[in-house]
Amino acid sequence: DQQVKQNSPSLSVQEGRISILNCDYTNSMFDYFLWYKKYPAEGPTFLISISSIKDKNEDGRFTVFLNKSAKHLSLHIVPSQPGDSAVYFCAASAGNAGNMLTFGGGTRLMVKP
Amino acid sequence: DAGITQSPRHKVTETGTPVTLRCHQTENHRYMYWYRQDPGHGLRLIHYSYGVKDTDKGEVSDGYSVSRSKTEDFLLTLESATSSQTSVYFCAISARTSGGAGDTQYFGPGTRLTVL
Repeated sequence: DQQVKQNSPSLSVQEGRISILNCDYTNSMFDYFLWYKKYPAEGPTFLISISSIKDKNEDGRFTVFLNKSAKHLSLHIVPSQPGDSAVYFCAASAGNAGNMLTFGGGTRLMVKP
Repeated sequence: DAGITQSPRHKVTETGTPVTLRCHQTENHRYMYWYRQDPGHGLRLIHYSYGVKDTDKGEVSDGYSVSRSKTEDFLLTLESATSSQTSVYFCAISARTSGGAGDTQYFGPGTRLTVL
């Protein structure tokens, strides 16, 4: 049973428009959420995170929104650029001793010039 | 970029042979992790370490063992490789110290393992 789900395997967006990537979770103990970006043949790169005490965190073109009641988070990229084309993973942590992360299955974002 | 290297980067082996993957960090971080990435599953935790000689199991630990004899090195061993262990393996490190909501993990470049 997947505790973190990214229901859209792929997303195509025009350059300059907004990209919205979604993530749902089931474990109410998750208290820290992260987004990673992954290019082919490379390791995941940390993008942005949010603690459960917040509902929004912004870093340049990237904003993460957290809706705890709906157990839903989203990543907004504005404006989207061709270099943003990659696979995006959301991940969650329950603040356990090992800081283990549970990952979603990923969404492939394609930004068209 | 976090100083994490993995070796080898690519490996092809045969079913039943032992395989060891190495993760090396230069950040002196306490926590190290091994994940595998498979289509549709994202990344799944195999084992992690919270200090020298201190390790624990993750979600998909069957068929894998780990060792950490030095802070900078974390080894993943497949005692007898099977085709189901064909995957891309990622090492990660974290500076998590104590308590708190969590800490960011930084990933190495990955090892692509094929078991024939």
